[in-house]
Amino acid sequence: EAGVAQSPRYKIIEKRQSVAFWCNPISGHATLYWYQQILGQGPKLLIQFQNNGVVDDSQLPKDRFSAERLKGVDSTLKIQPAKLEDSAVYLCASSVGLNYGYTFGSGTRLTVV
Amino acid sequence: TQLLEQSPQFLSIQEGENLTVYCNSSSVFSSLQWYRQEPGEGPVLLVTVVTGGEVKKLKRLTFQFGDARKDSSLHITAAQPGDTGLYLCAGFNAGNNRKLIWGLGTSLAVNP
Repeated sequence: EAGVAQSPRYKIIEKRQSVAFWCNPISGHATLYWYQQILGQGPKLLIQFQNNGVVDDSQLPKDRFSAERLKGVDSTLKIQPAKLEDSAVYLCASSVGLNYGYTFGSGTRLTVV
Repeated sequence: TQLLEQSPQFLSIQEGENLTVYCNSSSVFSSLQWYRQEPGEGPVLLVTVVTGGEVKKLKRLTFQFGDARKDSSLHITAAQPGDTGLYLCAGFNAGNNRKLIWGLGTSLAVNP
């Protein structure tokens, strides 16, 4: 089966600019996650969707980050405006449902200068 | 407060050596997963353990879930350079099955 697709693979922007990341999960996976990962650390959950509804966005900095999954399939994560500390890898993952193993995409490496 | 503590944080060994990575908590987990992440890629699920005392083997990797479901270990026999990566444990807390709790990872380097 096809894996989780993410784009772009790399992005370099200046602080205060906007950026958007796209994710297409594995077909049939109801649950979609966006994670932020600082180099060498474990992933930090930003937002979790079940179909097109938000299950958990408690760690999403809502003043600058937003995410949507309008049709319950692919998803977009946006940062507006970006800060230097947003430099990280943004990982998208999907799973069949809650309590199942995750399949991750390759991530988008964001550098804010 | 980090619910899942991984140790060691860094490990550098020679090819052929054995090693064990630990994942510990004071909380009970309904299940625990191990992932390996290579540079520039997302984590890849290696195994899920569910039953206390469970042991699963994946070629040279042996995973064990503690009897009380509060800890887990990953043992690698005769490590190879291809085993290099970040090993992450993650679990569903028995009190909140909807959120996966992640450890900070063990960075393993196997030198030829």
